[in-house]
Amino acid sequence: SQTIHQWPATLVQPVGSPLSLECTVEGTSNPNLYWYRQAAGRGLQLLFYSVGIGQISSEVPQNLSASRPQDRQFILSSKKLLLSDSGFYLCAWSVNAEETQYFGPGTRLLVL
Amino acid sequence: AQTVTQSQPEMSVQEAETVTLSCTYDTSENNYYLFWYKQPPSRQMILVIRQEAYKQQNATENRFSVNFQKAAKSFSLKISDSQLGDTAMYFCAFMKLGNSGYALNFGKGTSLLVTP
Repeated sequence: SQTIHQWPATLVQPVGSPLSLECTVEGTSNPNLYWYRQAAGRGLQLLFYSVGIGQISSEVPQNLSASRPQDRQFILSSKKLLLSDSGFYLCAWSVNAEETQYFGPGTRLLVL
Repeated sequence: AQTVTQSQPEMSVQEAETVTLSCTYDTSENNYYLFWYKQPPSRQMILVIRQEAYKQQNATENRFSVNFQKAAKSFSLKISDSQLGDTAMYFCAFMKLGNSGYALNFGKGTSLLVTP
C-alpha cells in the first residue's frame, strides 16, 4: 500500500531564516505530487504541483519554491521566511491528475 | 474559476443521530469530481467520499453518503449513526478534469462536533 511522509512535524523558525520541508511517498511510482498551505480557519490553497522529476508548476507567486529531486520526493523551500509564511503545510499525492489526492500528516510552521 | 461554498461554519449532533453537511459549487464545467475530506484534530486530511459528476448514482461509504444534485450544483454529505470519532472539520472540494485539472478547490469547511 502507499504511504506518504512529511517532516518535520512541527517547526518554529525566525523571520529571515531558510526553510526546507520534505515529503516522500512510498509504494507507488511516478506520482503526481502537491504542496498545499492551510492558513488558520481556512481551507487549503494549492502552492505547487509536480507531474515528474524536475517538473514543477507554481499556482501562486510567493516567497516559496519547490523541487522534486527524486521520483517520490518533493521539497518545499524558502531562502528567507516571512511572518506570513506561518501555517500548516500539507503534501499530497495522486496516481495522475484526474485521480483522488491523498494527504500526508502535515507540517506546522510558525515563523516568529 | 470554480468556487465551493460551505454555508455552515459549525454544526453539532448527538451520538447515534444523523447530520447533513451542505456544499454548493459554481462551475461551467461538465466533467469534474467532488470530494468530502475530514480533518480531525490531528489535522491530517482524510478522504471521506468521492463523487464523479458523470455518475447519477450517489456515492456511499459505510455511514457516509452524499446527495449529489448536478443541476442545482449541490453536494451534501450525510453522516448516519454519528460517532464521537466523527468530530472534525469537514471540507468539500471540487476538481475540474482536463489539462488544468490538478488543483482541488476547497470550501472553508464545517466544524462538526459529535456530543455524547
